[in-house]
Amino acid sequence: SQKIEQNSEALNIQEGKTATLTCNYTNYSPAYLQWYRQDPGRGPVFLLLIRENEKEKRKERLKVTFDTTLKQSLFHITASQPADSATYLCALERNTGNQFYFGTGTSLTVIP
Amino acid sequence: GAGVSQTPSNKVTEKGKYVELRCDPISGHTALYWYRQSLGQGPEFLIYFQGTGAADDSGLPNDRFFAVRPEGSVSTLKIQRTERGDSAMYLCASSLAENTEAFFGQGTRLTVV
Repeated sequence: SQKIEQNSEALNIQEGKTATLTCNYTNYSPAYLQWYRQDPGRGPVFLLLIRENEKEKRKERLKVTFDTTLKQSLFHITASQPADSATYLCALERNTGNQFYFGTGTSLTVIP
Repeated sequence: GAGVSQTPSNKVTEKGKYVELRCDPISGHTALYWYRQSLGQGPEFLIYFQGTGAADDSGLPNDRFFAVRPEGSVSTLKIQRTERGDSAMYLCASSLAENTEAFFGQGTRLTVV
């Protein structure tokens, strides 16, 4: 079965720096991969979706890469701000349908 | 409504009781998902509906869990003979079509005492 791994350690970075979060998966490559943000006590909020034939996607200060050879996606937040502090989740499609499965998430804290 | 609505927001029930959790998806969204999330973990897939039918219920942990979506809109997750291990945040999400972003509700926090 598919295993999805994200940075297990919480990530603390200084305001203004670039945060880089990792999502690694085993087995098959999904047709697409999504990144979500989750604040405590709230549901996940969609950020970006990248398809298997796309190597990179950007949205404002966010950038996602998708390397199907390494079976890895990287999520970057440039010019990070304290308001970016949250848990970030990656989600992969299951190959037999359109439902998706989440990693355990990485907690990011941006220090002012 | 403007977003996915889940009710109740909190539910405390006694072990052995039956509970129903409701999800109102965004109007027009054909896909609906239920997830369960424990503290410090990512959301765990339970079941996925495409229209009225359960396209994949392989994530339901056992036969105490059941979900319906009779008219292809509102969905109800039903848990029989609740156990303390069922305590978690139950999240519902909907999406317009396949391979598109999903919109999550705020969840129902279920506590079994």
